[in-house]
Amino acid sequence: DGGITQSPKYLFRKEGQNVTLSCEQNLNHDAMYWYRQDPGQGLRLIYYSQIVNDFQKGDIAEGYSVSREKKESFPLTVTSAQKNPTAFYLCASRESGTNYGYTFGSGTRLTVV
Amino acid sequence: KQEVTQIPAALSVPEGENLVLNCSFTDSAIYNLQWFRQDPGKGLTSLLLIQSSQREQTSGRLNASLDKSSGRSTLYIAASQPGDSATYLCAVTGTASKLTFGTGTRLQVTL
Repeated sequence: DGGITQSPKYLFRKEGQNVTLSCEQNLNHDAMYWYRQDPGQGLRLIYYSQIVNDFQKGDIAEGYSVSREKKESFPLTVTSAQKNPTAFYLCASRESGTNYGYTFGSGTRLTVV
Repeated sequence: KQEVTQIPAALSVPEGENLVLNCSFTDSAIYNLQWFRQDPGKGLTSLLLIQSSQREQTSGRLNASLDKSSGRSTLYIAASQPGDSATYLCAVTGTASKLTFGTGTRLQVTL
């Protein structure tokens, strides 16, 4: 079945540590996205990529970095510069063009310990 | 800047009732609107996608309408079941193909 796989499901980060969240899709979608979800604040866009080797900052990119070396993969690194990283992170993808909806993964819950 | 509002924030209904969830958006220049369901601790499941040129979409017991000019959408759930309990999110795709979410309606269907 086609879909988006996020791993790990749960991740714990120590202060000052960088961690990387994985997102892989086998839907052959061109565009991929990272969102952060906090209670009571809805989903906010971190980074997005509409094509391989290209990506743009979203609304809350500070303290995060991404790469898009392969069409099916869009990893997110949460750096030590992100002061409040505890959140639920969701990856999404969709086909190019404005007529298509988004498909989401099952999420990674990151906790700072 | 696009803003999406969902009312009510929470809703509790007895099993079997029909219900309506509301979504409003401030900028009518959208390409489409999508309704999602989210169970606690899980990802988002797409329920319905309505293109800007469409008025409604149906899937089983779900019906979503769109009035782009007034910036409103409704999600109608017929004959609600306990398994429908979840948070429902609406989201609009606007300029630069960016998706803007509402904060959701938390639905509980009681026996």
